[in-house]
Amino acid sequence: QVQLQQSGAELVKPGSSVKISCKASGYTFTSYDMHWIKQQPGNGLEWIGWIYPGNGNTKYNQKFNGKATLTADKSSSTAYMQLSSLTSEDSAVYFCARWDYTFDYWGQGVMVTVSS
Amino acid sequence: VQMTQSPSYLAASPGESVSISCKASKSISNNLAWYQEKPGKANKLLIHSGSTLQSGTPSRFSGSGSGTDFTLTIRSLESEDFAVYYCQQYNEYPLTFGSGTKLEIK
Repeated sequence: QVQLQQSGAELVKPGSSVKISCKASGYTFTSYDMHWIKQQPGNGLEWIGWIYPGNGNTKYNQKFNGKATLTADKSSSTAYMQLSSLTSEDSAVYFCARWDYTFDYWGQGVMVTVSS
Repeated sequence: VQMTQSPSYLAASPGESVSISCKASKSISNNLAWYQEKPGKANKLLIHSGSTLQSGTPSRFSGSGSGTDFTLTIRSLESEDFAVYYCQQYNEYPLTFGSGTKLEIK
């Protein structure tokens, strides 16, 4: 069965970077886009972008250009998202989700807290 | 495309039927999905293409609409249906979501 296992919660300092992961299993990792989505209380869900692990192609929501960098490791079937120059506005839960014309499978989410 | 979802909160009793509205700021054809969010569980795709039930979605769920106006209806509510529901358009980038509807037990 398809599973997306995300890494654990992160507590990071303002101005730093963080890299979170999403390990896929149960399907051919290189055949589906992997998307990332941000959820803040009161702000709903925001789409960040996607990566196609088959060739590394990416597309970002313009709002997250320069903030998020998406990569993927085919050998471990793991997608990554690095968030840089972190501020309190980046404190949120981040989801990975497989795309098959819709988000058909989601990870459990990773809480990132930016605090000094 | 801005997605306006209403109501943001809904209280109902098991056995009742409820409807959730999702309005797009421009036509999105039928490129709309509905998701269910429950604590401690991965978000679940319920409906895609406006009205097509995802495999495994109970038949008491239904979706309707096209263009700008969409509705999710849940008939004969069961205890497991009390959750948060989101609509999402995938007609154009950036992909966007509604603000969510929290369905609680009355």
